[in-house]
Amino acid sequence: SQQGEEDPQALSIQEGENATMNCSYKTSINNLQWYRQNSGRGLVHLILIRSNEREKHSGRLRVTLDTSKKSSSLLITASRAADTASYFCATNTGFQKLVFGTGTRLLVSP
Amino acid sequence: DVKVTQSSRYLVKRTGEKVFLECVQDMDHENMFWYRQDPGLGLRLIYFSYDVKMKEKGDIPEGYSVSREKKERFSLILESASTNQTSMYLCASSFPPYRGGGNTIYFGEGSWLTVV
Repeated sequence: SQQGEEDPQALSIQEGENATMNCSYKTSINNLQWYRQNSGRGLVHLILIRSNEREKHSGRLRVTLDTSKKSSSLLITASRAADTASYFCATNTGFQKLVFGTGTRLLVSP
Repeated sequence: DVKVTQSSRYLVKRTGEKVFLECVQDMDHENMFWYRQDPGLGLRLIYFSYDVKMKEKGDIPEGYSVSREKKERFSLILESASTNQTSMYLCASSFPPYRGGGNTIYFGEGSWLTVV
């Protein structure tokens, strides 16, 4: 069962621009996480935001969480070509498993 | 750094063959997972193990089985491979919440399986 749905499915921007990806989910969560996947590789954890947090920063990443709307956004500021990847949100509902969304493909052109 | 190693990066198998995908982690994680990833479907959980010899079905267990005889090793078994099992398979591991893991999952590099 898919808990998270990312929007947009694909995003194409120029270097230096900001990239915003959104995630919506269906049930109450303990935390929400964002992962990155380079083409053909495994996923790498980027950032975790707990259900009682509204915003979190890590370097050029900013994540917001709105539990009333069951949505989260990931902002990458000053994008670089190396940020080209797929980005997934994953929700933790309190069990020992994460449920992943379908991902946003980000292309950053030089 | 956490290391999750999947033994085969690319495999080609014939329909009906028994296929073993092996995964080893070096961080003493209790939890281990097998996901498959298909275009447009994201990651779907096949099986999950929270301790040695313990396993739990995920969302799409049909056609698969798993083995966890040692804490560091989690094997995915396709008893009789079929063409609809052609996919990328991702192994992952994590600490459980009682060991402060926060459920952050660490992934291997993936195994591309083609069944012909």
